[in-house]
Amino acid sequence: EIVLTQSPATLSLSPGERATLSCRASQSVSSYLAWYQQKPGQAPRLLIYDASNRATGIPARFSGSGSGTDFTLTISSLEPEDFAVYYCQQRSNWPWWAFGQGTKVEIK
Amino acid sequence: QVQLVQSGAEVKKPGASVKVSCKVSGYTLTELSMHWVRQAPGKGLEWMGGFDPEDGETIYAQKFQGRVTMTEDTSTDTAYMELSSLRSEDTAVYYCVLVGATSWFDPWGQGTLVTVSS
Repeated sequence: EIVLTQSPATLSLSPGERATLSCRASQSVSSYLAWYQQKPGQAPRLLIYDASNRATGIPARFSGSGSGTDFTLTISSLEPEDFAVYYCQQRSNWPWWAFGQGTKVEIK
Repeated sequence: QVQLVQSGAEVKKPGASVKVSCKVSGYTLTELSMHWVRQAPGKGLEWMGGFDPEDGETIYAQKFQGRVTMTEDTSTDTAYMELSSLRSEDTAVYYCVLVGATSWFDPWGQGTLVTVSS
């Protein structure tokens, strides 16, 4: 069973700073990894799929990288609307579609 | 553009069942793969199960097997998720979500809050 571990649990940054979020899989998921953003009271939104592809309408300040077991979501310069919780998800192996536990990006 | 609209909030007693609906508009449900994800208050996202087009069957997360049933009414393009033997730990927002053109979860329904309380 694949487990996704996200770090850190909370990231405290100021607007304009760079955010680097990590997602580590317990075994290789190849490039079958996605990132979602969730704001309070809202459904999650797909940001990045297949490790590095931005979903439709996602600003260029969001980028994803990695393959195998180590993945990174980078927000190059935080905008006020980017403070949210971010989840990674895999679809390579059972349990299909499992999520990481999330990283909260909060205003410092 | 595909949109998902879920049924309203529910309050149930322990031991009861709940059935949440998800209406698809802008596309035909038979051509889509629907999944369900839940989120307990203040917690993360938990995949419950969904349709696997490769096998033509609905697959469930091990945690929910035997207690959850996911069905579809293709005549109304509506999906349903029924969870039985409810306990307080099942209090959560339940989301329906489609596997979209990217082969990932997009779009999502707005969520349905299910509260289990005596």
